[in-house]
Amino acid sequence: NAGVTQTPKFRILKIGQSMTLQCTQDMNHNYMYWYRQDPGMGLKLIYYSVGAGITDKGEVPNGYNVSRSTTEDFPLRLELAAPSQTSVYFCASSSERGYFNEQFFGPGTRLTVL
Amino acid sequence: GEDVEQSLFLSVREGDSSVINCTYTDSSSTYLYWYKQEPGAGLQLLTYIFSNMDMKQDQRLTVLLNKKDKHLSLRIADTQTGDSAIYFCAESKTGANNLFFGTGTRLTVIP
Repeated sequence: NAGVTQTPKFRILKIGQSMTLQCTQDMNHNYMYWYRQDPGMGLKLIYYSVGAGITDKGEVPNGYNVSRSTTEDFPLRLELAAPSQTSVYFCASSSERGYFNEQFFGPGTRLTVL
Repeated sequence: GEDVEQSLFLSVREGDSSVINCTYTDSSSTYLYWYKQEPGAGLQLLTYIFSNMDMKQDQRLTVLLNKKDKHLSLRIADTQTGDSAIYFCAESKTGANNLFFGTGTRLTVIP
């Protein structure tokens, strides 16, 4: 199993450009999450999904969109990139919500908006 | 303010014990977790403790939970250079789908 994979690993965008961060998991997990990690700020939840066709906002959803057409894929879309979106983005998945929630993380995408 | 707080940095000498602390504010926490992030990598679950437990030991790792003070700690015995990483505590809460992470503590092990 590859686990959770993310592409690209690095990207530099100009202000106003758009891009899609890809995330795929091969563990047949229903739950998937997008976090951003800023220095000294921990991880903040952007969006999450509890299954194909179902998505919901997290703590910091503004400026982002997601879709979940399959169990495996959960892409994150930035429509009009802003410098405040410079961050490291992590995708994660888990098998069920329950009370015990082990999340499996991808290696991250480092995004810089100039 | 943040729900989960940690100090940002910790340095220890190789072979010493490391203690990483975390405080949380929500009494509805069900499980508390320690994740490890190595340079350039994603987070990986290191250990966890159910909220009705006081202590959990797993080889070199000891997790202590003080529910009254809402304080969680991770002790690493005989710290090795390979333990250098960022350690995040996290909590899962009743009614929430995601985990709530602390700011992370960067552990540096000095040879």
